[in-house]
Amino acid sequence: DTEVTQTPKHLVMGMTNKKSLKCEQHMGHRAMYWYKQKAKKPPELMFVYSYEKLSINESVPSRFSPECPNSSLLNLHLHALQPEDSALYLCASSQEQGVRNEQFFGPGTRLTVL
Amino acid sequence: SQQGEEDPQALSIQEGENATMNCSYKTSINNLQWYRQNSGRGLVHLILIRSNEREKHSGRLRVTLDTSKKSSSLLITASRAADTASYFCATVHGSSNTGKLIFGQGTTLQVKP
Repeated sequence: DTEVTQTPKHLVMGMTNKKSLKCEQHMGHRAMYWYKQKAKKPPELMFVYSYEKLSINESVPSRFSPECPNSSLLNLHLHALQPEDSALYLCASSQEQGVRNEQFFGPGTRLTVL
Repeated sequence: SQQGEEDPQALSIQEGENATMNCSYKTSINNLQWYRQNSGRGLVHLILIRSNEREKHSGRLRVTLDTSKKSSSLLITASRAADTASYFCATVHGSSNTGKLIFGQGTTLQVKP
């Protein structure tokens, strides 16, 4: 299984809602990533987990809260988002965190904040 | 800030022609990777070239790396309509072990049947 899955595919939420994005991989990878991608822009790194511990937080606002319950799962909890947070949220994984590791991406969750 | 810059921003060619995309970067790198993204979906890893390599091939893809000019190019030969997508280069910083990918702005390729 060389796939990263993400649910839901689409999500529409109001600014007062609480929702979660989910990501799963069964490749035995020990590093997992969240990226945010605005329309016609490249992906930008948000968080990195390595061995289920938060390794990098790219100064992301606290209304985004990542969680790594186990080595296969990565969640992104959303609360009190703003319309400008509307974007494609991509999850990725790699064998290890480090310079030589190819990242495998999921299909993304397209988030719309009203 | 984004390290990679790509040109052209958009490229339109006929099926069967070759497509060349260029990427420039600013700091020393450990490796440079190329990814493809179809219409707002996930990215697919195409090829990785290390800083001590100059050229790499994978099927119809040819990647070159010139570290003296801090630039790379991706050549897709005998293009197909299915190659229509956005292509991003991504660099991994030379002295960092974070694995952080810094993406270029991307080239949108349209291959007309």
